[in-house]
Amino acid sequence: GAGVSQSPSNKVTEKGKDVELRCDPISGHTALYWYRQSLGQGLEFLIYFQGNSAPDKSGLPSDRFSAERTGGSVSTLTIQRTQQEDSAVYLCASSFGPSVFFGPGTRLTVL
Amino acid sequence: AQRVTQPEKLLSVFKGAPVELKCNYSYSGSPELFWYVQYSRQRLQLLLRHISRESIKGFTADLNKGETSFHLKKPFAQEEDSAMYYCALKLSAGSARQLTFGSGTQLTVLP
Repeated sequence: GAGVSQSPSNKVTEKGKDVELRCDPISGHTALYWYRQSLGQGLEFLIYFQGNSAPDKSGLPSDRFSAERTGGSVSTLTIQRTQQEDSAVYLCASSFGPSVFFGPGTRLTVL
Repeated sequence: AQRVTQPEKLLSVFKGAPVELKCNYSYSGSPELFWYVQYSRQRLQLLLRHISRESIKGFTADLNKGETSFHLKKPFAQEEDSAMYYCALKLSAGSARQLTFGSGTQLTVLP
């Protein structure tokens, strides 16, 4: 593909529901990142996958957040029992080397 | 832990004026530093890396290890430079290889 893709582009959900956000990285990129972008908060690191190594989950804000990466490619970020403070743009990025390429993001709104 | 500080949330300059976006970092080792830019309705993209010592779109940034700064500069701002700018740090060693971002500076170049 031409770049990192994410789906859906927008997601509106009700408080307490679970959501799944998908990321398709650039083919061949071994590293995959998830970030959260909130107004006035900058980009908050969530989780990092590198090849077959154990993921770095140090940025996940609570145990309601989890992510997996299947076959070293597609990744899914799952948020359980969503809260209003989870509303943000969730960005996925991938890299193979020093330059990191970002997807367009998924805008999550929790009502 | 590493940290990136961008003290200005908003910065406005007139077209043709010089612009400097400030970035300070805290890390005891030798990090890699980057500037990312996000134009309106576009995805976040890499602007430049300190290792490359390059000039992109007229912007330059010099790593000052003594002051732990990586300020972004352009001698003559253009209206198309209006965007959100993020400074980012990446550890050069160790297992934590994610980018750590500052909170961003919204640059507006006035006509």
